[in-house]
Amino acid sequence: SQQGEEDPQALSIQEGENATMNCSYKTSINNLQWYRQNSGRGLVHLILIRSNEREKHSGRLRVTLDTSKKSSSLLITASRAADTASYFCATDATNSKLTFGKGITLSVRP
Amino acid sequence: NAGVMQNPRHLVRRRGQEARLRCSPMKGHSHVYWYRQLPEEGLKFMVYLQKENIIDESGMPKERFSAEFPKEGPSILRIQQVVRGDSAAYFCASSPQRDYEQYFGPGTRLTVT
Repeated sequence: SQQGEEDPQALSIQEGENATMNCSYKTSINNLQWYRQNSGRGLVHLILIRSNEREKHSGRLRVTLDTSKKSSSLLITASRAADTASYFCATDATNSKLTFGKGITLSVRP
Repeated sequence: NAGVMQNPRHLVRRRGQEARLRCSPMKGHSHVYWYRQLPEEGLKFMVYLQKENIIDESGMPKERFSAEFPKEGPSILRIQQVVRGDSAAYFCASSPQRDYEQYFGPGTRLTVT
């Protein structure tokens, strides 16, 4: 089964609202990384959080990690239409090989 | 600082032909990773290389697929005798060290006819 599983599978919000996306995983990890992918394009790296960190911020992004629950969340504040994309969490459990979930499709309505 | 470069961006091959996908990592990055994305699925790890060495190839099919990252030049993912099931987007990523952020290229979309 998937190491990283995102929730929800799809999210639709109004511009200006916050978007919260969750990721759960099964094994111990070294770090967890969040990526964005626009339709048919490559992946854009958003943020990396290490297993000994609990929270990180980058601009409008806030990522939390709870290793006891094996879960992470990505919060995008004050969303914009340009945030419309698929978002993936990827876990690095061994040897730097990332295991990706199936992604969350975020739609931000203008 | 140019990002990760991949070429070609689109590749069409007939069944039985060979496909060669190239990846130039970001400047200063000596760690390269290949992933495959099938339609409607997330990315799946294939292989991890560090200059001239294969570190982990546990995600690579045992037959027809090979990868290299020579001392000079780009990393190459080679698929021999392609089949329709090889049609996918192949992404390369690079990082300066292991356990660091992996930066992805734009991908090569392989179509096998």
